Amino acid sequence: QQPVQSPQAVILREGEDAVINCSSSKALYSVHWYRQKHGEAPVFLMILLKGGEQKGHEKISASFNEKKQQSSLYLTASQLSYSGTYFCGTQGAGGGNKLTFGTGTQLKVEL
Amino acid sequence: DAGITQSPRHKVTETGTPVTLRCHQTENHRYMYWYRQDPGHGLRLIHYSYGVKDTDKGEVSDGYSVSRSKTEDFLLTLESATSSQTSVYFCAISEGQGYRVMDTQYFGPGTRLTVL
Repeated sequence: QQPVQSPQAVILREGEDAVINCSSSKALYSVHWYRQKHGEAPVFLMILLKGGEQKGHEKISASFNEKKQQSSLYLTASQLSYSGTYFCGTQGAGGGNKLTFGTGTQLKVEL
Repeated sequence: DAGITQSPRHKVTETGTPVTLRCHQTENHRYMYWYRQDPGHGLRLIHYSYGVKDTDKGEVSDGYSVSRSKTEDFLLTLESATSSQTSVYFCAISEGQGYRVMDTQYFGPGTRLTVL
């Protein structure tokens, strides 16, 4: 079952902040975040591991609540370049090298 | 950028015809994946491979088969294409260092397939 992302879409003015949420019904080992610009391939942003370790992007932060199987991506002082569709990918608690992706959050940053 | 190419990049075919998509990597990564991307569904895993001749099903594998005879190539075959298989197909690779830690996935440029 795919994780649920919210909101489905958001429009920001440059400089505003946004939070994108990802929620799973299964126990998780890690959460991965990707961004995809229109017509392009998804690009890795960040990995959040069980136990709190975070790896990834300098200008974007995230959290992972293992007990609630939820992750949030925080975009602060948004830039035009942040526009795109954001996907979370979840790795189940049993491990294994595969991800289940959410349906995506479309983010548009305007002047 | 990770060395991943997909071919063809665009294809239009008719219902009932066989179609093979190719993913080629130059990174010598262990894992390779095929996803399809459709509006409202995000990325859904079709099949993946964890080594030469080692493959497993994903969540939407019906109607698709895969083969990996060399580390660098991962083929996705639609034996008899249907209109419901019209989609954008992405290949991805990951290094696969260990079982517990899921490595970063690097995606290819995608193949847009239209089945008429």
